[in-house]
Amino acid sequence: DAMVIQNPRYQVTQFGKPVTLSCSQTLNHNVMYWYQQKSSQAPKLLFHYYDKDFNNEADTPDNFQSRRPNTSFCFLDIRSPGLGDAAMYLCATSGPGAGTEAFFGQGTRLTVV
Amino acid sequence: AQSVTQPDIHITVSEGASLELRCNYSYGATPYLFWYVQSPGQGLQLLLKYFSGDTLVQGIKGFEAEFKRSQSSFNLRKPSVHWSDAAEYFCAVSAGGGADGLTFGKGTHLIIQP
Repeated sequence: DAMVIQNPRYQVTQFGKPVTLSCSQTLNHNVMYWYQQKSSQAPKLLFHYYDKDFNNEADTPDNFQSRRPNTSFCFLDIRSPGLGDAAMYLCATSGPGAGTEAFFGQGTRLTVV
Repeated sequence: AQSVTQPDIHITVSEGASLELRCNYSYGATPYLFWYVQSPGQGLQLLLKYFSGDTLVQGIKGFEAEFKRSQSSFNLRKPSVHWSDAAEYFCAVSAGGGADGLTFGKGTHLIIQP
């Protein structure tokens, strides 16, 4: 009965080779987020979608893009991964209300070789 | 902009002992406050949240937290820890509105001694 599902759980990619991480949800939530969590650090918000409206954090590198083709799915595209992009990538969803709870997926661990 | 400080990077507690994890926030208005727990290699699970009302909130797994506006704190407590509580604990703040996203503290790594 997983509600936020991330695939794959582990992803190895080559330096500079585009990679896509996926997230799906069964909660029908309006908002979907992508967070980057480097080793022993706090999750950091990259961007989020409110329905189809895309909101990029000011310090998110251009190398990171996202797509949300429908309510259920959201993708994180890294156009040219560098060694510094190795991290856990967390997808989360929430409803539209003030301070509503965010539900997290189990994350995708990205390794860049 | 809001921020969260978790002053303790690591805490070691004996099994059965009480626990308090500290969290201080910075935000101009009343924030929305959360505590999440993360086991190794896993996503984050919500323990509890504070939006308004009673300043002592109860969560899952026997955790509670107290919001103290005068101290800008939202400390997490548990009266008796279990070995399964060993994990990373994150305090987070949201400015409000589900679309704002969360600002996390750096986390506190909890170690349980037998």
